[in-house]
Order: sequence, then C-alpha cells, then structure tokens
Amino acid sequence: EADIYQTPRYLVIGTGKKITLECSQTMGHDKMYWYQQDPGMELHLIHYSYGVNSTEKGDLSSESTVSRIRTEHFPLTLESARPSHTSQYLCASSEYGGFYGYTFGSGTRLTVV
Amino acid sequence: GESVGLHLPTLSVQEGDNSIINCAYSNSASDYFIWYKQESGKGPQFIIDIRSNMDKRQGQRVTVLLNKTVKHLSLQIAATQPGDSAVYFCAENAHAGGTSYGKLTFGQGTILTVHP
Repeated sequence: EADIYQTPRYLVIGTGKKITLECSQTMGHDKMYWYQQDPGMELHLIHYSYGVNSTEKGDLSSESTVSRIRTEHFPLTLESARPSHTSQYLCASSEYGGFYGYTFGSGTRLTVV
Repeated sequence: GESVGLHLPTLSVQEGDNSIINCAYSNSASDYFIWYKQESGKGPQFIIDIRSNMDKRQGQRVTVLLNKTVKHLSLQIAATQPGDSAVYFCAENAHAGGTSYGKLTFGQGTILTVHP
C-alpha cells in the first residue's frame, strides 16, 4: 500500500476560493514533489522540496505555493482558485532524488467552477 | 499553469500479444531510467528500472531495453492482459543544478489499451 497520502481525492470548488491540497508521507523522505497533470497529458513538475524549509519552483509555472515545515508534510495552496487551475495534482516523495525513483500518491482531482 | 497541452500517443493490442512501448530521452548524462504505469484515477506506479551501465533488465513479464547510442528506451510487456491497460511513462534521472541526487524528468507517455 502507498505510504504517501493525498487529501482530498476529489474537490469541486468555486472561483476565488482559497484551497489547500494536503500531502503526507510516512517514509521519512527528505525530497518531495508536486506534479500537475491534465487528463491524457504529461506530468509537469510545479514544486519540489529537498527538506524542511526548502522549496523550489518546478519546470511549469504555477500560481500555487507550497510549504515544508515538517519532513512528512508538503501542502500546496491556491490563494484564489480559477477554472484554469482545474487539473489533477500528484504528490511524490523520494529518499535519493531521481535515483531509485519516486513514490506517488493517488492524486487530488481539482475542479474549479 | 500554462501547459503545452500535448496529447499522448496510443497503442492498442489484443490480449495475449506482446506490447512494445518506446521512449526517447533527451539528456545523455542521465544515469538511471524508470518505467511507470498509471491507471485511471491513480498516481504512477513503479514498474521496472535500469541503470545506464546496463542494456537490458527483465522483470516479471516486463523487459526494459536501453540504447544509449540513440538515447532510446523501450518497455516490452509479454502476454499483455486487460489489466495492463494504462498510461505508461518513462522517466530519466539527470544530475543538474549541483544536486547530488538528480531529479526525474518524465517522458511523453503512451496510452496502452488491451482488447479481450
């Protein structure tokens, strides 16, 4: 079973609302990542962290922000949701960066109406 | 976000056939490669990996081939089953930005559909 958990699994929310997508892992991994994926599309890295108090922007520009106050927790926040933010958001973690790969959560499918 | 919006290629096979999914990677410095399987509504799951000092690696019903000369990776699935229907992504690990461990870059992905 996955040791990385994302909540909620599905979220439908109105335009302008503030939302936080939760991601937690119990493996003690230092490195964590957020990917954005539209249906039938590629995965795009939007944020990553190499440890507590470390956050970096990924390859795809995103209006979301992240924080890493605890090793196990890497939440993603949208201050004001818009329909263009509708997508699937995948969280992942790893012990060795890209080497040996990442473990992914099940994702949060966000719909902004 | 401003996605490029590239739709994935597709591969349709009959149950019992062998499937071959291809991937071209971009960075000649990549030292590690992974194939992921993503089923509908789920996150990607690890299938098999290969280091750059190998040409071939076999798992249960799956084989990964690496051709570093042309920067090509393939995933072969033997006796494909309906449960293999999913999107398959290749990923490469390249060291960049001074980090020790590198960061995975995902390929385009292929949608595999297995017909009974």
